[in-house]
Amino acid sequence: EAQVTQNPRYLITVTGKKLTVTCSQNMNHEYMSWYRQDPGLGLRQIYYSMNVEVTDKGDVPEGYKVSRKEKRNFPLILESPSPNQTSLYFCASRKTGGGGKNIQYFGAGTRLSVL
Amino acid sequence: AQSVSQHNHHVILSEAASLELGCNYSYGGTVNLFWYVQYPGQHLQLLLKYFSGDPLVKGIKGFEAEFIKSKFSFNLRKPSVQWSDTAEYFCAVNPDNAGNMLTFGGGTRLMVKP
Repeated sequence: EAQVTQNPRYLITVTGKKLTVTCSQNMNHEYMSWYRQDPGLGLRQIYYSMNVEVTDKGDVPEGYKVSRKEKRNFPLILESPSPNQTSLYFCASRKTGGGGKNIQYFGAGTRLSVL
Repeated sequence: AQSVSQHNHHVILSEAASLELGCNYSYGGTVNLFWYVQYPGQHLQLLLKYFSGDPLVKGIKGFEAEFIKSKFSFNLRKPSVQWSDTAEYFCAVNPDNAGNMLTFGGGTRLMVKP
């Protein structure tokens, strides 16, 4: 079954304690992306990756890092989480080539609370 | 900067009522348009999409949307909602020359009363 898998689904942490949210897709998609979802603001893109070893900032990259060492994995790293990073995070992937006509598939989401 | 606006943040309807959710975007060129739905506790799923051709597109579960280029709009409609349509709905826009960039609206939370 084609899917985007995020872990963990729920996470509570404290300010400053480094954490990683994993994302894996089994569709051999080149493009992967991280979003955060906040009430009234919709989904805002944090970082995206066009392919292995190619990453770029989205609209709200501050406080986040990503890496793309393998095509299927795109972890989101918070080196020093702060309370304003409390949010619902979604990983997504899509094929490239065809521009925006390729459908984006989303993971189930990770709800993060930073105390 | 391009933006996507969904003016209704919360909508409450009774079952069998008709639904129309507004979506406007600011980009002036050719665009690809999407509506996603997020049921409670679930991930986003594609509801329908428009790339070109007939501006009235039909999606899953009886939803449809109409692209009106002159109004920069892509409103979502359903003639008769059901309780199971309770969800959050997101409009998303990809300018045709922007590669994979997808910009989302702020979302509309729909509650359907049984």
